[in-house]
Amino acid sequence: DVKVTQSSRYLVKRTGEKVFLECVQDMDHENMFWYRQDPGLGLRLIYFSYDVKMKEKGDIPEGYSVSREKKERFSLILESASTNQTSMYLCASSSDRVAADTQYFGPGTRLTVL
Amino acid sequence: GQQVMQIPQYQHVQEGEDFTTYCNSSTTLSNIQWYKQRPGGHPVFLIQLVKSGEVKKQKRLTFQFGEAKKNSSLHITATQTTDVGTYFCAGPGNTDKLIFGTGTRLQVFP
Repeated sequence: DVKVTQSSRYLVKRTGEKVFLECVQDMDHENMFWYRQDPGLGLRLIYFSYDVKMKEKGDIPEGYSVSREKKERFSLILESASTNQTSMYLCASSSDRVAADTQYFGPGTRLTVL
Repeated sequence: GQQVMQIPQYQHVQEGEDFTTYCNSSTTLSNIQWYKQRPGGHPVFLIQLVKSGEVKKQKRLTFQFGEAKKNSSLHITATQTTDVGTYFCAGPGNTDKLIFGTGTRLQVFP
């Protein structure tokens, strides 16, 4: 079974702090994604990566950056956290770029920015 | 931009009643995927439909892909409390990303 893990289930940070959210997948998947989920807004794509050291902006990249130094690890970085970044953050991976293959999600990190 | 909408946003049913959620895309999709997210959980893949007019069943769940490949539906027969959660449809976007629908949250009362 595909396993996607995220570094924290719950995180509380202060405004202005730098925040790192880590995601690791164990199935040698090429593609990794970061979403945020907010009530009534569904899943919104922040950034994704098709390969090591490669990244592409999703629909809402402002205020975020990412890093993919190794194939299995995809990090989401909030350079200076703000209260409007309080949300559930979900990482996902998939194996095949063509036709947007099935995605496997991690358990999520609920981030609160005070 | 490309959009995938779902209706209804919420549905409350009595246990044993049927439930249907509808998914509509602004563009033709090469395939449609369905995911379920239990309360407090993460989205889990249920099924993928590829062919125009395709119908697939998983026990009490029936999935349908429209003839024009722009809409889809998920029907649950005789809901149970274990069906509670949010159901998302998703389809490939213009750049091979998955575009997720807005989701339908199902609540089942015993």
